[in-house]
Amino acid sequence: SQTIHQWPATLVQPVGSPLSLECTVEGTSNPNLYWYRQAAGRGLQLLFYSVGIGQISSEVPQNLSASRPQDRQFILSSKKLLLSDSGFYLCAWSVQGLAGGPGGLKNEQFFGPGTRLTVL
Amino acid sequence: QQPVQSPQAVILREGEDAVINCSSSKALYSVHWYRQKHGEAPVFLMILLKGGEQKGHDKISASFNEKKQQSSLYLTASQLSYSGTYFCGTAYAGNNRKLIWGLGTSLAVNP
Repeated sequence: SQTIHQWPATLVQPVGSPLSLECTVEGTSNPNLYWYRQAAGRGLQLLFYSVGIGQISSEVPQNLSASRPQDRQFILSSKKLLLSDSGFYLCAWSVQGLAGGPGGLKNEQFFGPGTRLTVL
Repeated sequence: QQPVQSPQAVILREGEDAVINCSSSKALYSVHWYRQKHGEAPVFLMILLKGGEQKGHDKISASFNEKKQQSSLYLTASQLSYSGTYFCGTAYAGNNRKLIWGLGTSLAVNP
């Protein structure tokens, strides 16, 4: 079965410090990978998604970046954190299916446990 | 393009029913429903593809009205465990990998 890991679980960082959050998926290959941010009491904001190694789509221009150095590894980074970067960061994966196949049509997303980031 | 969820919040007594709606101004390819409990990650409930299908999972079911570009989530005989925030995620033709999320409906089930 597939599992998704995120670390760290919680993080408190000063403004201006760098950030690196990691997400790994087990039990599947060539997944779609996603980074979301959720502000307290708010909805899900898609930050980045990736359909393959080195292929990153950025949804929101800001001081964050993402990389996918390996098939099942997705990293979210920042060189200098802002107060507004605080939130709950969620990584998710979905099947990289072909059109007409179950993964291609349905694309259910499965979330990791999340990282709660507080920027002070 | 963001789907509109209604109502924003619902308070139920155990055993009561609720309906949560998710509407789009653009033609939908699929609608996903998730439930998130406080402090936890969202959990996938079900997905509906265009075609007007209806799906069920225990006492939670959903429908997809292609004409209205709307999906409804039905919770019947609610249980305490149903409490949480329900999100719909919508996908559109051309890029079904990416979901656009509603702002959520907060559901509280009281004894």
